[in-house]
Amino acid sequence: NAGVTQTPKFQVLKTGQSMTLQCAQDMNHNSMYWYRQDPGMGLRLIYYSASEGTTDKGEVPNGYNVSRLNKREFSLRLESAAPSQTSVYFCASSARSTSGGEQFFGPGTRLTVL
Amino acid sequence: QKEVEQNSGPLSVPEGAIASLNCTYSDRGSQSFFWYRQYSGKSPELIMSIYSNGDKEDGRFTAQLNKASQYVSLLIRDSQPSDSATYLCAVMAGGGNKLTFGTGTQLKVEL
Repeated sequence: NAGVTQTPKFQVLKTGQSMTLQCAQDMNHNSMYWYRQDPGMGLRLIYYSASEGTTDKGEVPNGYNVSRLNKREFSLRLESAAPSQTSVYFCASSARSTSGGEQFFGPGTRLTVL
Repeated sequence: QKEVEQNSGPLSVPEGAIASLNCTYSDRGSQSFFWYRQYSGKSPELIMSIYSNGDKEDGRFTAQLNKASQYVSLLIRDSQPSDSATYLCAVMAGGGNKLTFGTGTQLKVEL
């Protein structure tokens, strides 16, 4: 089992460029999440998908879109990158979305927007 | 007021000592509590979950939950240099589906 995988590991973008971060899990989990982590801010939820076919906004959704492609895959898209989106992005998955659902994280994508 | 609060540290303890990490939360309806360990440059790794008042032990780790006082703590016995990391507290509201994270406490275990 690979667990949660993310691609790419590192990315440098120029302001205004677009890109998609990919996430996949092989644990047959129902729920998937995208977080960003910034110094002093902790982990903040961008978007989540409680189950295949559903997506919902988290704490900081502006500037991002997501797609739950199937049960395994959940992608995060930056349509027009801004320097404020420089961050480390983590994808996570959970067997269930309600209380008690332990979340497991991928290795992260380190994104720099110039 | 932050929803989940942790002292940022660094908390320094000598090797072999007990490290005590604390976390308070504001939502009284919270039902699920988690501790993650994060090494520098790595992703968070789940080390403990606790759902009911009292203590839960797993190896050298003990999680303690007190819902009346709205705090959760993590004790690490016989601390090792390999325990040096940032520890994140995470809380999920009852019936909810989102985790709220604290900003983490940096632990340094010194030889």
